[in-house]
Amino acid sequence: ELKVEQNPLFLSMQEGKNYTIYCNYSTTSDRLYWYRQDPGKSLESLFVLLSNGAVKQEGRLMASLDTKARLSTLHITAAVHDLSATYFCAGDSGTYKYIFGTGTRLKVLA
Amino acid sequence: SQTIHQWPATLVQPVGSPLSLECTVEGTSNPNLYWYRQAAGRGLQLLFYSVGIGQISSEVPQNLSASRPQDRQFILSSKKLLLSDSGFYLCAWSRRDRTNEKLFFGSGTQLSVL
Repeated sequence: ELKVEQNPLFLSMQEGKNYTIYCNYSTTSDRLYWYRQDPGKSLESLFVLLSNGAVKQEGRLMASLDTKARLSTLHITAAVHDLSATYFCAGDSGTYKYIFGTGTRLKVLA
Repeated sequence: SQTIHQWPATLVQPVGSPLSLECTVEGTSNPNLYWYRQAAGRGLQLLFYSVGIGQISSEVPQNLSASRPQDRQFILSSKKLLLSDSGFYLCAWSRRDRTNEKLFFGSGTQLSVL
């Protein structure tokens, strides 16, 4: 049974700083996904990582996947206030079940 | 283009009352359909998923049930709500052939059981 864990659960950072959110998963996952959720809103897809070594970047966010370590990271570069949100990673063990991590609540302080 | 509709957006129900949340997808066929629940300040818990009409897989044994009466319609129900059923309910879909590798979420229903 696939399990997905994220850390940290909460992250408060200053604008302009860099930080990384980690996502570990317990068994083989065909794919790894990152989503963003603003308070009271639904989830918005950020990245889909399909294979070992995959790296995707959008603006100040960069996601990577290491399937051997069963680890994905979401790196934030020079954070800005607009990035404040909750970030989720999710795995897919190939059985159509998408299992989500607990989420990382990010707050960027001016 | 594909769209997913979920309603109502907000619902306040007394304990012991029934529940019916509906979700429909447009612009695609044979989608995989999902119901997730998010308790306040928590992560997403997969409740049910369906890979076809009448095919429902339950992930969490509780007083909720799901049905898929049509290809693009997914309904979440309860006969008697509990306080612990409060939360943010999200419907989602994905392509059956997995050519687009992600879940698309509806706007969610905020359910408060009082």
